[in-house]
Amino acid sequence: AQSVSQHNHHVILSEAASLELGCNYSYGGTVNLFWYVQYPGQHLQLLLKYFSGDPLVKGIKGFEAEFIKSKFSFNLRKPSVQWSDTAEYFCAVITNTGFQKLVFGTGTRLLVSP
Amino acid sequence: EPEVTQTPSHQVTQMGQEVILRCVPISNHLYFYWYRQILGQKVEFLVSFYNNEISEKSEIFDDQFSVERPDGSNFTLKIRSTKLEDSAMYFCASSAVGMKETQYFGPGTRLLVL
Repeated sequence: AQSVSQHNHHVILSEAASLELGCNYSYGGTVNLFWYVQYPGQHLQLLLKYFSGDPLVKGIKGFEAEFIKSKFSFNLRKPSVQWSDTAEYFCAVITNTGFQKLVFGTGTRLLVSP
Repeated sequence: EPEVTQTPSHQVTQMGQEVILRCVPISNHLYFYWYRQILGQKVEFLVSFYNNEISEKSEIFDDQFSVERPDGSNFTLKIRSTKLEDSAMYFCASSAVGMKETQYFGPGTRLLVL
């Protein structure tokens, strides 16, 4: 079965620090990859997505992610975090056998201290 | 910006009771989904729905669960005879024709079964 791993469950950073959140998936075929963010008290929002083409994708709020097929990875990055980036971040995948079923990772809770 | 809405935001029920969770998807979306997140666990896919029928369901989605689109705007999840382990946050999502992989989530309904 497909699975998604997010190795960092909690990350604490100071403002202006750089961020990289890891995401690995287990599936050998074609995948669509997503990062969702959930700000405190709010719903899941799409941050960015990768379907095909340039493996470096840019999303909202200065976030980007790189798809490395050989490593089955889709890490999320931001060069300089802000206090407002405090949230939980979820990596998710849709495989070509899963129709539109999103398979989520466990999430990474990011706390940015001012 | 159009959003998926869900009601109620919180529901407390007694074990064995039936609950109906309601969702209003984004108006021009035709694909609908339910996911749930048990406290401290991953967001899990329950069911997808298109053209008035279930297109995919997970092993969690047993006979206790049903979905319905009773009119042109609502999409409901019914849980018959609730169990303690049904306590979770239930998220509705929707996606558009031509962009069905990109799912937009509602704020969730927190269900507590006592």
